Amino acid sequence: AQSVTQLDSQVPVFEEAPVELRCNYSSSVSVYLFWYVQYPNQGLQLLLKYLSGSTLVKGINGFEAEFNKSQTSFHLRKPSVHISDTAEYFCAVSERGGATNKLIFGTGTLLAVQP
Amino acid sequence: DVKVTQSSRYLVKRTGEKVFLECVQDMDHENMFWYRQDPGLGLRLIYFSYDVKMKEKGDIPEGYSVSREKKERFSLILESASTNQTSMYLCASSGQGGGNTIYFGEGSWLTVV
Repeated sequence: AQSVTQLDSQVPVFEEAPVELRCNYSSSVSVYLFWYVQYPNQGLQLLLKYLSGSTLVKGINGFEAEFNKSQTSFHLRKPSVHISDTAEYFCAVSERGGATNKLIFGTGTLLAVQP
Repeated sequence: DVKVTQSSRYLVKRTGEKVFLECVQDMDHENMFWYRQDPGLGLRLIYFSYDVKMKEKGDIPEGYSVSREKKERFSLILESASTNQTSMYLCASSGQGGGNTIYFGEGSWLTVV
Protein backbone atom coordinates (compact mmCIF):
# COMPACT_ATOMS: atom_id res chain seq x y z
CA ALA A 1 0.00 0.00 0.00
CA GLN A 2 1.08 3.56 -0.63
CA SER A 3 0.58 6.76 1.30
CA VAL A 4 1.41 10.42 0.64
CA THR A 5 2.19 13.11 3.21
CA GLN A 6 2.03 16.79 2.43
CA LEU A 7 3.60 18.41 5.42
CA ASP A 8 2.09 21.88 5.04
CA SER A 9 -1.64 22.46 4.80
CA GLN A 10 -1.11 26.12 3.91
CA VAL A 11 1.84 28.06 2.55
CA PRO A 12 1.57 31.86 2.45
CA VAL A 13 4.10 33.60 0.23
CA PHE A 14 4.58 37.03 -1.30
CA GLU A 15 4.37 37.57 -5.01
CA GLU A 16 7.70 37.05 -6.86
CA ALA A 17 9.15 35.06 -3.96
CA PRO A 18 10.29 31.44 -4.41
CA VAL A 19 8.21 28.62 -2.99
CA GLU A 20 8.64 24.95 -2.16
CA LEU A 21 5.72 22.62 -1.43
CA ARG A 22 6.80 19.45 0.31
CA CYS A 23 5.68 15.91 -0.46
CA ASN A 24 6.85 12.63 1.03
CA TYR A 25 5.55 9.22 0.13
CA SER A 26 5.66 5.71 1.53
CA SER A 27 5.46 2.60 -0.60
CA SER A 28 6.69 -0.99 -0.57
CA VAL A 29 6.89 -0.96 -4.38
CA SER A 30 8.17 1.45 -6.99
CA VAL A 31 5.84 4.30 -7.82
CA TYR A 32 5.09 7.00 -10.32
CA LEU A 33 4.77 10.50 -8.84
CA PHE A 34 2.45 13.35 -9.76
CA TRP A 35 1.60 16.92 -8.82
CA TYR A 36 -1.87 18.27 -9.58
CA VAL A 37 -3.23 21.80 -9.13
CA GLN A 38 -6.81 22.76 -8.33
CA TYR A 39 -7.94 26.34 -8.90
CA PRO A 40 -11.03 27.53 -7.01
CA ASN A 41 -14.23 25.79 -8.06
CA GLN A 42 -12.47 23.66 -10.65
CA GLY A 43 -11.29 20.09 -11.08
CA LEU A 44 -7.68 18.97 -10.89
CA GLN A 45 -5.14 19.67 -13.62
CA LEU A 46 -1.81 17.87 -14.04
CA LEU A 47 1.23 20.05 -13.31
CA LEU A 48 3.93 17.45 -13.84
CA LYS A 49 4.78 13.80 -13.34
CA TYR A 50 7.83 11.62 -12.77
CA LEU A 51 7.89 8.29 -14.56
CA SER A 52 11.61 7.55 -14.99
CA GLY A 53 14.88 9.09 -16.09
CA SER A 54 16.03 12.51 -14.90
CA THR A 55 14.97 13.16 -11.34
CA LEU A 56 14.28 16.83 -12.08
CA VAL A 57 10.93 17.18 -13.80
CA LYS A 58 9.66 20.38 -15.36
CA GLY A 59 5.97 21.09 -15.63
CA ILE A 60 3.54 23.76 -16.71
CA ASN A 61 3.45 27.33 -15.41
CA GLY A 62 7.14 27.34 -14.45
CA PHE A 63 6.89 24.63 -11.79
CA GLU A 64 9.42 21.86 -11.33
CA ALA A 65 9.84 18.97 -8.92
CA GLU A 66 12.71 16.75 -7.89
CA PHE A 67 12.41 13.05 -7.14
CA ASN A 68 14.64 11.94 -4.28
CA LYS A 69 14.45 8.19 -3.87
CA SER A 70 16.57 7.98 -0.71
CA GLN A 71 14.37 10.52 1.06
CA THR A 72 11.18 9.30 -0.62
CA SER A 73 10.34 12.88 -1.48
CA PHE A 74 8.97 14.75 -4.50
CA HIS A 75 9.00 18.43 -3.57
CA LEU A 76 7.48 21.04 -5.88
CA ARG A 77 9.26 24.34 -6.50
CA LYS A 78 8.81 27.58 -8.35
CA PRO A 79 11.47 30.33 -8.36
CA SER A 80 9.02 33.24 -8.54
CA VAL A 81 5.29 32.95 -7.86
CA HIS A 82 2.42 35.03 -9.22
CA ILE A 83 -0.94 35.90 -7.75
CA SER A 84 -2.47 33.53 -10.30
CA ASP A 85 -0.62 30.59 -8.69
CA THR A 86 -2.97 30.79 -5.71
CA ALA A 87 -4.55 27.34 -5.67
CA GLU A 88 -4.50 24.00 -3.89
CA TYR A 89 -1.72 21.61 -4.86
CA PHE A 90 -1.94 17.85 -4.51
CA CYS A 91 0.87 15.32 -4.60
CA ALA A 92 -0.08 11.79 -5.68
CA VAL A 93 1.45 8.39 -6.35
CA SER A 94 0.47 5.35 -8.35
CA GLU A 95 1.97 1.90 -8.29
CA ARG A 96 4.53 1.23 -11.00
CA GLY A 97 3.54 -1.87 -12.91
CA GLY A 98 0.16 -2.04 -11.24
CA ALA A 99 -2.87 -3.40 -13.04
CA THR A 100 -4.54 -0.02 -12.90
CA ASN A 101 -3.14 3.47 -12.48
CA LYS A 102 -5.31 4.63 -9.62
CA LEU A 103 -3.83 7.56 -7.72
CA ILE A 104 -3.32 7.89 -3.99
CA PHE A 105 -3.40 11.56 -3.00
CA GLY A 106 -1.98 13.62 -0.20
CA THR A 107 -4.21 15.97 1.75
CA GLY A 108 -3.22 19.01 -0.28
CA THR A 109 -1.35 22.28 0.28
CA LEU A 110 -3.07 25.61 -0.19
CA LEU A 111 -0.65 28.08 -1.76
CA ALA A 112 -1.74 31.63 -0.92
CA VAL A 113 0.18 34.25 -2.88
CA GLN A 114 -0.06 37.75 -1.43
CA PRO A 115 0.72 40.99 -3.25
CA ASP B 1 -8.28 18.11 -25.51
CA VAL B 2 -9.53 15.46 -23.18
CA LYS B 3 -12.89 16.30 -21.74
CA VAL B 4 -14.46 14.74 -18.68
CA THR B 5 -17.94 16.10 -18.16
CA GLN B 6 -19.92 15.79 -14.95
CA SER B 7 -23.59 16.35 -15.54
CA SER B 8 -24.35 18.42 -12.45
CA ARG B 9 -22.11 21.00 -10.78
CA TYR B 10 -24.37 21.66 -7.78
CA LEU B 11 -27.02 19.41 -6.27
CA VAL B 12 -29.11 19.59 -3.12
CA LYS B 13 -30.80 16.36 -2.06
CA ARG B 14 -32.77 15.21 0.95
CA THR B 15 -31.69 12.50 3.36
CA GLY B 16 -32.79 9.10 2.10
CA GLU B 17 -33.06 10.11 -1.56
CA LYS B 18 -31.40 8.05 -4.28
CA VAL B 19 -28.79 10.20 -6.04
CA PHE B 20 -27.17 9.67 -9.42
CA LEU B 21 -23.97 11.47 -10.43
CA GLU B 22 -23.16 11.07 -14.10
CA CYS B 23 -19.81 11.35 -15.83
CA VAL B 24 -18.89 11.15 -19.51
CA GLN B 25 -15.44 11.15 -21.12
CA ASP B 26 -14.68 11.67 -24.79
CA MET B 27 -11.22 10.06 -25.13
CA ASP B 28 -12.11 6.37 -25.31
CA HIS B 29 -10.33 5.79 -21.99
CA GLU B 30 -10.45 2.37 -20.41
CA ASN B 31 -10.15 3.56 -16.83
CA MET B 32 -12.65 5.73 -15.00
CA PHE B 33 -12.67 6.80 -11.37
CA TRP B 34 -14.85 8.44 -8.76
CA TYR B 35 -13.13 10.38 -5.98
CA ARG B 36 -14.55 12.26 -3.04
CA GLN B 37 -12.84 15.47 -1.86
CA ASP B 38 -13.18 16.82 1.68
CA PRO B 39 -11.23 19.63 3.37
CA GLY B 40 -8.17 18.31 5.17
CA LEU B 41 -8.64 14.81 3.78
CA GLY B 42 -7.61 15.34 0.16
CA LEU B 43 -9.10 13.06 -2.48
CA ARG B 44 -10.23 9.58 -1.58
CA LEU B 45 -11.05 6.90 -4.13
CA ILE B 46 -14.60 5.56 -3.96
CA TYR B 47 -14.73 3.20 -6.96
CA PHE B 48 -12.94 2.71 -10.23
CA SER B 49 -13.64 0.84 -13.43
CA TYR B 50 -11.11 -0.58 -15.87
CA ASP B 51 -13.58 -1.75 -18.50
CA VAL B 52 -17.26 -1.80 -19.33
CA LYS B 53 -19.24 -3.56 -16.59
CA MET B 54 -16.03 -4.02 -14.56
CA LYS B 55 -15.55 -2.22 -11.27
CA GLU B 56 -13.43 -2.36 -8.16
CA LYS B 57 -13.87 -0.83 -4.76
CA GLY B 58 -11.61 1.99 -3.74
CA ASP B 59 -10.81 3.10 -0.22
CA ILE B 60 -14.27 4.34 0.83
CA PRO B 61 -16.99 2.42 -1.10
CA GLU B 62 -19.50 2.15 1.75
CA GLY B 63 -22.81 3.80 0.89
CA TYR B 64 -21.98 4.04 -2.81
CA SER B 65 -22.37 1.93 -5.93
CA VAL B 66 -21.38 2.49 -9.55
CA SER B 67 -22.49 1.56 -13.03
CA ARG B 68 -20.57 1.40 -16.28
CA GLU B 69 -22.75 0.15 -19.12
CA LYS B 70 -20.91 2.06 -21.85
CA LYS B 71 -17.22 2.81 -22.12
CA GLU B 72 -17.64 6.56 -22.06
CA ARG B 73 -20.03 6.77 -19.11
CA PHE B 74 -19.47 6.08 -15.42
CA SER B 75 -22.21 6.73 -12.88
CA LEU B 76 -21.94 7.05 -9.12
CA ILE B 77 -25.04 6.09 -7.14
CA LEU B 78 -25.90 6.98 -3.58
CA GLU B 79 -28.65 4.47 -2.74
CA SER B 80 -29.90 6.41 0.29
CA ALA B 81 -28.18 9.75 0.72
CA SER B 82 -27.02 10.76 4.17
CA THR B 83 -25.72 14.07 5.49
CA ASN B 84 -22.19 12.66 5.85
CA GLN B 85 -22.13 12.24 2.09
CA THR B 86 -22.22 16.01 1.62
CA SER B 87 -19.05 16.58 -0.34
CA MET B 88 -17.38 17.40 -3.65
CA TYR B 89 -17.32 14.44 -6.05
CA LEU B 90 -14.75 14.25 -8.82
CA CYS B 91 -14.89 11.96 -11.81
CA ALA B 92 -11.72 11.11 -13.75
CA SER B 93 -10.53 8.98 -16.64
CA SER B 94 -7.28 7.70 -18.10
CA GLY B 95 -5.86 5.33 -20.65
CA GLN B 96 -4.63 1.92 -19.65
CA GLY B 97 -1.16 1.48 -18.22
CA GLY B 98 0.79 2.87 -15.35
CA GLY B 99 1.95 6.45 -15.50
CA ASN B 100 -0.86 7.58 -17.78
CA THR B 101 -2.23 10.98 -16.90
CA ILE B 102 -5.56 10.93 -15.12
CA TYR B 103 -7.93 13.67 -16.33
CA PHE B 104 -10.52 15.15 -14.01
CA GLY B 105 -13.92 16.67 -14.45
CA GLU B 106 -14.86 19.95 -12.79
CA GLY B 107 -16.58 18.27 -9.87
CA SER B 108 -20.08 17.96 -8.47
CA TRP B 109 -20.92 19.66 -5.21
CA LEU B 110 -23.50 17.56 -3.39
CA THR B 111 -25.32 18.84 -0.32
CA VAL B 112 -27.55 16.41 1.56
CA VAL B 113 -30.03 18.08 3.91
